[in-house]
Amino acid sequence: AQSVTQPDIHITVSEGASLELRCNYSYGATPYLFWYVQSPGQGLQLLLKYFSGDTLVQGIKGFEAEFKRSQSSFNLRKPSVHWSDAAEYFCAVGFSNDYKLSFGAGTTVTVRA
Amino acid sequence: SAVISQKPSRDICQRGTSLTIQCQVDSQVTMMFWYRQQPGQSLTLIATANQGSEATYESGFVIDKFPISRPNLTFSTLTVSNMSPEDSSIYLCSVVEEGGYNEQFFGPGTRLTVL
Repeated sequence: AQSVTQPDIHITVSEGASLELRCNYSYGATPYLFWYVQSPGQGLQLLLKYFSGDTLVQGIKGFEAEFKRSQSSFNLRKPSVHWSDAAEYFCAVGFSNDYKLSFGAGTTVTVRA
Repeated sequence: SAVISQKPSRDICQRGTSLTIQCQVDSQVTMMFWYRQQPGQSLTLIATANQGSEATYESGFVIDKFPISRPNLTFSTLTVSNMSPEDSSIYLCSVVEEGGYNEQFFGPGTRLTVL
């Protein structure tokens, strides 16, 4: 079945430590890939996106993500986490034939001092 | 990116009533969508709001329960009808800008509680 999987429901990381959030997809073709962040009580903000080309993409707030076709993955990383990065992170996929997005279940990130 | 506003930002409603949520964009957009985010859950697409025609609903969502209007390229409404506590969710609208590649931009959401 077609799906977007975020294996980690909750991650706790120390401020200043690195962060990696996993995202895997199961689709016949390579989709467009996105990472969104949702801070408490807020809407979703687009962090970064991958359509084609360079498999390492840079986003806002110091985030980057790497597309690995062989692993059907699009993992999000940040070298040094700030307390303000505590939020819910969603991976999403879309296709060029329509504008719809399918979202993963989300990963909650807690940052400890 | 487009600036998207939603009204109301939150509401508490009684069972059996209806609530209309508005989504306003500051520029013309190609696509508008409505999502539901149940407590502690991810986003589920309710429907695509089509300008000047009936919305396109996803499986499990019907027009009688979630009527949607989109009279122009910058505005849409979602009505949650005959509400029950199970409708308590955050409702978000999103847009795809002209020339966009599926990247959707989201409004701040409407937090609905049904008693």
